[in-house]
Amino acid sequence: AQSVTQPDIHITVSEGASLELRCNYSYGATPYLFWYVQSPGQGLQLLLKYFSGDTLVQGIKGFEAEFKRSQSSFNLRKPSVHWSDAAEYFCAVGASNDYKLSFGAGTTVTVRA
Amino acid sequence: DAMVIQNPRYQVTQFGKPVTLSCSQTLNHNVMYWYQQKSSQAPKLLFHYYDKDFNNEADTPDNFQSRRPNTSFCFLDIRSPGLGDAAMYLCATSRALEGIIRGYTFGSGTRLTVV
Repeated sequence: AQSVTQPDIHITVSEGASLELRCNYSYGATPYLFWYVQSPGQGLQLLLKYFSGDTLVQGIKGFEAEFKRSQSSFNLRKPSVHWSDAAEYFCAVGASNDYKLSFGAGTTVTVRA
Repeated sequence: DAMVIQNPRYQVTQFGKPVTLSCSQTLNHNVMYWYQQKSSQAPKLLFHYYDKDFNNEADTPDNFQSRRPNTSFCFLDIRSPGLGDAAMYLCATSRALEGIIRGYTFGSGTRLTVV
């Protein structure tokens, strides 16, 4: 079965600084990978996804992520964070022979002025 | 706009008193999921419906049940809520295998408090 690890529980970043959130997955074949964002008290919103093709994918809100098969990683990046990026971020993985997603435990991002 | 709507946003229930959470969707997706999310934890899949077929996760307690009377609606019933059931409950939908390509659409969640 597929699984996801997000090594960082909490990250604090200054407004305007760059952000990188780590995600490592475990799956034998080519995974389907997602990043979701959850603002306080809200549901999950899809930021971006990868399932084939270009390993650098662009998403909404200025986020991008890079799939690295050799490292089993799918890290999320943003060049310059805004205070509104303070939220919880979840990485998720799906399998080609299943329609269920497995989520990581999430990384909470705090943005300081 | 097509969307997934969860009602209520906040629910307070008494210990042991049955409670029902509702989810509706206008996307005509054939799969509906219920997740439980406790503070600072990953969303945990409780069960899902693939069309009318109910699929329970192996570790979902019997205290949790679900109903899907039609494509648009899905309910989560907690028969005897305990303090440990206090959580955010998230409903999500997908169009079967397309969900793996497109991702799920989530509702805003229902925050359940047990007193």
